[in-house]
Amino acid sequence: QLQLQESGPGLVKPSETLSLTCSVSGGSISSSSFYWGWIRQPPGKGLEWIGNIYYSGNTYYNPSLKSRVTISVDTSKNQFSLKLNSVTAADTAVYYCARLRYGSGSYDYWGQGTLVTVSS
Amino acid sequence: QSALTQPASVSGSPGQSITISCTGTSSDVGSDNPVSWYQLHPGKAPKFMIYEVTKRPSGVSNRFSGSKSGNTASLTISGLQAEDEGDYYCCLYAGVSTLVFGGGTKLTVL
Repeated sequence: QLQLQESGPGLVKPSETLSLTCSVSGGSISSSSFYWGWIRQPPGKGLEWIGNIYYSGNTYYNPSLKSRVTISVDTSKNQFSLKLNSVTAADTAVYYCARLRYGSGSYDYWGQGTLVTVSS
Repeated sequence: QSALTQPASVSGSPGQSITISCTGTSSDVGSDNPVSWYQLHPGKAPKFMIYEVTKRPSGVSNRFSGSKSGNTASLTISGLQAEDEGDYYCCLYAGVSTLVFGGGTKLTVL
């Protein structure tokens, strides 16, 4: 059974960089049929797609966040990561990592999510 | 790409059927772009309920079904159960570089 687990600081100061890692177990991140993505949910609001990455390193970002986001992959560790710079309180959210089935365009496995609060 | 429109809330009694709509435009939902549905419960990993508009992943109850008419995709839950209570989101896939979620719908089982 594939499992994804987000990890990283739960508190980030304004203007700093939010960094999270998603560890994948029970399957290979290098599978050709899948992409890997980040999605977030601010408190009381809906889901927002952040971006996707392929194991080769190809990345795709939400245009609204593109200038501040970097997603990377480490196939040797079966992990992928998210960096969001110049954060503000509006970036406070539960951040999820998930696997995207390329053929169907659906996220079939998700992590439990991790709350990141931006506050001084 | 604009967010998809969902009702903020729906409710139903146990045993009843409810439908959650997800409305876009002729350029997104109304075209051949796949729509998927997710169930969220606080503190749990989101659950993948429907993909490619109408298909149900293995392990998902056949009480859940998806459909589409024009620019609106829908999720129908029949035989409503208390455990179905939660938040539901539709998601449009217009390519690996373009995914859009609906605003979410809170389902209350009365």
